Amino acid sequence: ETGVTQTPRHLVMGMTNKKSLKCEQHLGHNAMYWYKQSAKKPLELMFVYSLEERVENNSVPSRFSPECPNSSHLFLHLHTLQPEDSALYLCASSQASSTDTQYFGPGTRLTVL
Amino acid sequence: AQTVTQSQPEMSVQEAETVTLSCTYDTSESDYYLFWYKQPPSRQMILVIRQEAYKQQNATENRFSVNFQKAAKSFSLKISDSQLGDAAMYFCAYRRTGTASKLTFGTGTRLQVTL
Repeated sequence: ETGVTQTPRHLVMGMTNKKSLKCEQHLGHNAMYWYKQSAKKPLELMFVYSLEERVENNSVPSRFSPECPNSSHLFLHLHTLQPEDSALYLCASSQASSTDTQYFGPGTRLTVL
Repeated sequence: AQTVTQSQPEMSVQEAETVTLSCTYDTSESDYYLFWYKQPPSRQMILVIRQEAYKQQNATENRFSVNFQKAAKSFSLKISDSQLGDAAMYFCAYRRTGTASKLTFGTGTRLQVTL
């Protein structure tokens, strides 16, 4: 595997389900990001981890819970989601430096019924 | 707060022709980075080109080049010799300097390439 991978690519869940999105980067980076891409809205940053510590939480509802066990892996745990949470969730990684460029995974298309 | 505006929801270009996508941004910072990303139907967000604000020279990457006007806060993308594979959503993005700082994206421009 190369670059940034995300699983699953598609996910359909009910509002009472608990599921997790997984992101893995193979670029030797040490910062990872979750973005949300909703229809007709700009991409929104959700969470940032730098050196495995959360450095930014963009006022995201608590039904989204991130986890970064190491610099290569990032999870987004989902529970009791709402239909408006349906979106494309993109993971990105970069070097944690002032000049870093972020590289993105293919995204997980989430549908909440 | 920084904002990024892409005023062209859709653009169309004929194969082999040149097209320019517009982007303006607002910031009070003097040093920052600007990016163009491409998102084809496969949804993978792909970096097209990057510009450091402290550099006066416009970035180029093969058929892709930018026109960076710092005073006007404008950052347009020119695609030369357009190819069918260039059809995608194009997003302009801003990032201030600083470790692991976020990208602020525009709403995107959908580019169609016709024969």
